[in-house]
Amino acid sequence: ETGVTQTPRHLVMGMTNKKSLKCEQHLGHNAMYWYKQSAKKPLELMFVYSLEERVENNSVPSRFSPECPNSSHLFLHLHTLQPEDSALYLCASSHVGTGASGGYTFGSGTRLTVV
Amino acid sequence: RKEVEQDPGPFNVPEGATVAFNCTYSNSASQSFFWYRQDCRKEPKLLMSVYSSGNEDGRFTAQLNRASQYISLLIRDSKLSDSATYLCVVTSPNTGNQFYFGTGTSLTVIP
Repeated sequence: ETGVTQTPRHLVMGMTNKKSLKCEQHLGHNAMYWYKQSAKKPLELMFVYSLEERVENNSVPSRFSPECPNSSHLFLHLHTLQPEDSALYLCASSHVGTGASGGYTFGSGTRLTVV
Repeated sequence: RKEVEQDPGPFNVPEGATVAFNCTYSNSASQSFFWYRQDCRKEPKLLMSVYSSGNEDGRFTAQLNRASQYISLLIRDSKLSDSATYLCVVTSPNTGNQFYFGTGTSLTVIP
């Protein structure tokens, strides 16, 4: 399998549930990202992992918890979310450092609805 | 001030028309520029990078004006399949080449 794969594609969860989003990249990239996309708003960077270390948090609420066990996998653990957290959550990967040509590759996203 | 600003549109143009989008950025140290395309309910996909000398890919032409801090995308001979949201992306070395996305410009090509 190639590219960036996200699962699940759709998720409906209650405010007391705990769930996790998964992202996997097969591009040999060394950086992975979580973005949130809400209607009529620009993509919001949530977390950056570069060389498996988290380098940016961007003041995301603690009810979102990322995990990056290796350079190919990225998780976003969700708990006690609010209805306003309903959005499209996009994972992306890129190559950073010497020789990097730029450009992100995005996964298809997880459309999350919090009820 | 926002890192990247785009006119959200919507732009509704007839098939065959030429349409141009502009995007301004605030950080003069920005080094890399891209246009992404996002179809409805899909993920953004890289359309083209924007080089200082300008670049063309078929019906699409991207230009960079560093003095005025804007980039543009020109689409000639619009097709129905060009209907999408076009996202302007700028990176900044000050923040580890983090991507900054514009809100996107919505284009609908009408038969």
